[in-house]
Amino acid sequence: AQSVSQHNHHVILSEAASLELGCNYSYGGTVNLFWYVQYPGQHLQLLLKYFSGDPLVKGIKGFEAEFIKSKFSFNLRKPSVQWSDTAEYFCAVTPSGTYKYIFGTGTRLKVLA
Amino acid sequence: DGGITQSPKYLFRKEGQNVTLSCEQNLNHDAMYWYRQDPGQGLRLIYYSQIVNDFQKGDIAEGYSVSREKKESFPLTVTSAQKNPTAFYLCASGTKLYNEQFFGPGTRLTVL
Repeated sequence: AQSVSQHNHHVILSEAASLELGCNYSYGGTVNLFWYVQYPGQHLQLLLKYFSGDPLVKGIKGFEAEFIKSKFSFNLRKPSVQWSDTAEYFCAVTPSGTYKYIFGTGTRLKVLA
Repeated sequence: DGGITQSPKYLFRKEGQNVTLSCEQNLNHDAMYWYRQDPGQGLRLIYYSQIVNDFQKGDIAEGYSVSREKKESFPLTVTSAQKNPTAFYLCASGTKLYNEQFFGPGTRLTVL
């Protein structure tokens, strides 16, 4: 069965620390990859997405993610986090040509001021 | 304003009652989705619809039903057959070309 794994369930960082959140998926074909963020009390919103081309994609608020096909991974990174990055982050995969999304279990990030 | 509306924000029901959650979008999106969000389990797909009058079961469809009579609307009914209905329910819509999803604010359902 297709699945998405986010191994870090809770992450606590100090401001200015670097962030890397892991995301691995299980699907043998072509996929589209997404990271969504849910700030406290707000809607889920798209952070960044990968469809094709350059495997290093940049999103909003200084986030980036790298697609490594051989590792079935799409890790999220940010060089220096801010208190306002405190949120829950979800990785999602959709096999190309389908409408079905598969979400990971999410990672709660808390950034200490 | 374009977006997705879910109502109500909080909903309380007695055990054994069916309840319908509303989802409306004015983004002219073809696809609409219902998810259930529980702590530590992420978002789990209940139903999705690619086009009017058509919908498919997601991973946890048992105890739920949907309809898609209009492009703008995709209501979800939580039936009495759903064993653990208390949860946060999210509706989303998406475009065919870019396949990105836009989410509503959610409805928190509590069954007493």
